Amino acid sequence: DAGVIQSPRHEVTEMGQEVTLRCKPISGHNSLFWYRQTMMRGLELLIYFNNNVPIDDSGMPEDRFSAKMPNASFSTLKIQPSEPRDSAVYFCASSRQGTSTDTQYFGPGTRLTVL
Amino acid sequence: GENVEQHPSTLSVQEGDSAVIKCTYSDSASNYFPWYKQELGKGPQLIIDIRSNVGEKKDQRIAVTLNKTAKHFSLHITETQPEDSAVYFCAAPYNFNKFYFGSGTKLNVKP
Repeated sequence: DAGVIQSPRHEVTEMGQEVTLRCKPISGHNSLFWYRQTMMRGLELLIYFNNNVPIDDSGMPEDRFSAKMPNASFSTLKIQPSEPRDSAVYFCASSRQGTSTDTQYFGPGTRLTVL
Repeated sequence: GENVEQHPSTLSVQEGDSAVIKCTYSDSASNYFPWYKQELGKGPQLIIDIRSNVGEKKDQRIAVTLNKTAKHFSLHITETQPEDSAVYFCAAPYNFNKFYFGSGTKLNVKP
């Protein structure tokens, strides 16, 4: 199993630019989660999908952030326009059923730097 | 909502010694408690988990204990090795399938 795949692994951009992060969940997993990790706030859940449908986006910080899951094997997290405070490591995770007793498997993350 | 507190934030042990990391949670309905290990430049990886119907679970040098009455659970690593050096996170569920993560413990195993 290839695990959760994220791209790019590193992204450096300038303030105001659009950033798109990509995720391929583990095949057969029905739930997908986007997290952001910073020193100040730790691991925060931004949004999660169940069967490609967004279930809870209450963690999305602002309207500048949007996420899509057009099919079971692909999701994107977009930031437009990006700001320096968006600099963080963004993780995608997936789980089989998305229940509270279901293990979440994390990807390697995308380190985003907004100058 | 759930709240997870993790202690200590840093832990330094000598190789071969044991390490213990503790977490407390607030939601009495929580029923699943995973522990993740995050190495530098990588995503968190599950190392052990425990469900609320058991009090302890072991996997070689790693064990997790759960006290539902006191609402705390702990990670125990015995015979620590340098490759155990990493950041460890506990987590507890809230709502349907969201997890709160602890703030992390940076473990340093000195050879």
